[in-house]
Amino acid sequence: AQKVTQAQTEISVVEKEDVTLDCVYETRDTTYYLFWYKQPPSGELVFLIRRNSFDEQNEISGRYSWNFQKSTSSFNFTITASQVVDSAVYFCALSEDTTSGTYKYIFGTGTRLKVLA
Amino acid sequence: GAVVSQHPSWVICKSGTSVKIECRSLDFQATTMFWYRQFPKQSLMLMATSNEGSKATYEQGVEKDKFLINHASLTLSTLTVTSAHPEDSSFYICSLEYNEQFFGPGTRLTVL
Repeated sequence: AQKVTQAQTEISVVEKEDVTLDCVYETRDTTYYLFWYKQPPSGELVFLIRRNSFDEQNEISGRYSWNFQKSTSSFNFTITASQVVDSAVYFCALSEDTTSGTYKYIFGTGTRLKVLA
Repeated sequence: GAVVSQHPSWVICKSGTSVKIECRSLDFQATTMFWYRQFPKQSLMLMATSNEGSKATYEQGVEKDKFLINHASLTLSTLTVTSAHPEDSSFYICSLEYNEQFFGPGTRLTVL
């Protein structure tokens, strides 16, 4: 069965520190997508990245970077030089192809990041 | 990406009443929408897949008679929580599918 594990429930860092959020997934599909979302206190999900299973290139977007390793089924997210505005809950998600052709998302339990000034 | 709105943003109701939450696709015709529920400090759990013009598909453990879903048009899906009770208090999020899922801003339901 598909599963997403975010072992870190809560992380606190001091501003300007780097922080890595871990995500490990399980799937039997050969084609799948992985996502990261940010959920600030307002509750609205903010899309950060989508990665398909055939693209293992690491990606960098400003202070954000992602490390996708199929060999370890991991899709980790690093924030460099963290800022207070980065404080939020971060979710990793896996899309699962269904027999009906839709893609259901399976979310991890989330990691609450607190960046202290 | 697609823009999704939800109405209301928050609602407080008395136990036993029914509450309707709307999910609208503002710029895209969505044949498939999803409804999620998120309890405080927990993850998003898929409740059901809403299909335009047909019955919704509910996830295991979700009561279809309690959470009525109607997807009568390509831009609107509604979730009605019938006979709401305090344990139904949660954050309800909808999304639509267009190669990937685009999420609405969520509706916070509090049942007194």
